[in-house]
Amino acid sequence: DADVTQTPRNRITKTGKRIMLECSQTKGHDRMYWYRQDPGLGLRLIYYSFDVKDINKGEISDGYSVSRQAQAKFSLSLESAIPNQTALYFCATSATSGGGQETQYFGPGTRLLVL
Amino acid sequence: SQKIEQNSEALNIQEGKTATLTCNYTNYSPAYLQWYRQDPGRGPVFLLLIRENEKEKRKERLKVTFDTTLKQSLFHITASQPADSATYLCAPYNQGGKLIFGQGTELSVKP
Repeated sequence: DADVTQTPRNRITKTGKRIMLECSQTKGHDRMYWYRQDPGLGLRLIYYSFDVKDINKGEISDGYSVSRQAQAKFSLSLESAIPNQTALYFCATSATSGGGQETQYFGPGTRLLVL
Repeated sequence: SQKIEQNSEALNIQEGKTATLTCNYTNYSPAYLQWYRQDPGRGPVFLLLIRENEKEKRKERLKVTFDTTLKQSLFHITASQPADSATYLCAPYNQGGKLIFGQGTELSVKP
């Protein structure tokens, strides 16, 4: 986990506030991902980036935006937080190796509560 | 749409027994499938990867099978220990360059 860090680890915010979750990695990987995890629903992909100039929407991108500031940094923003965005958020990284062999390395997670 | 199903109910077994977890997928044909372990409040950790042309893969007490006809992967832990208690996630590879994660099966190994 130390190779992939997330800040903050816990956050409480109010409906309508803008917040940013940050992810940094020291693994030198080109690919980065943001997931959210809800009980019973597993990990769902929000956004992913295969390099600094490549940003792609995942299955649940509505209400979220991202920024890839550098190869090592990938931030997730909630422009106007709502209570159903309360979840555990994970950042992950992987190195390009071709066709599904990329192992993903996850950060420790950010627990977000929107009141 | 692509769908992944893992045992939704927790699996409770006795120490020393073999745990078998199931992952079924529909509406696609992944070339690779990965298994991850997740402890409460922590990020998933990679365990094993199996390719579509491999029937079986082993790593210490872990064994994974991949049946592309049945569209199923089985994950076995032999001689299970209480320290194996965790949630296990299967993740077939999506050709769009992403993994799709199942919801996970919680395993509890009792001493």
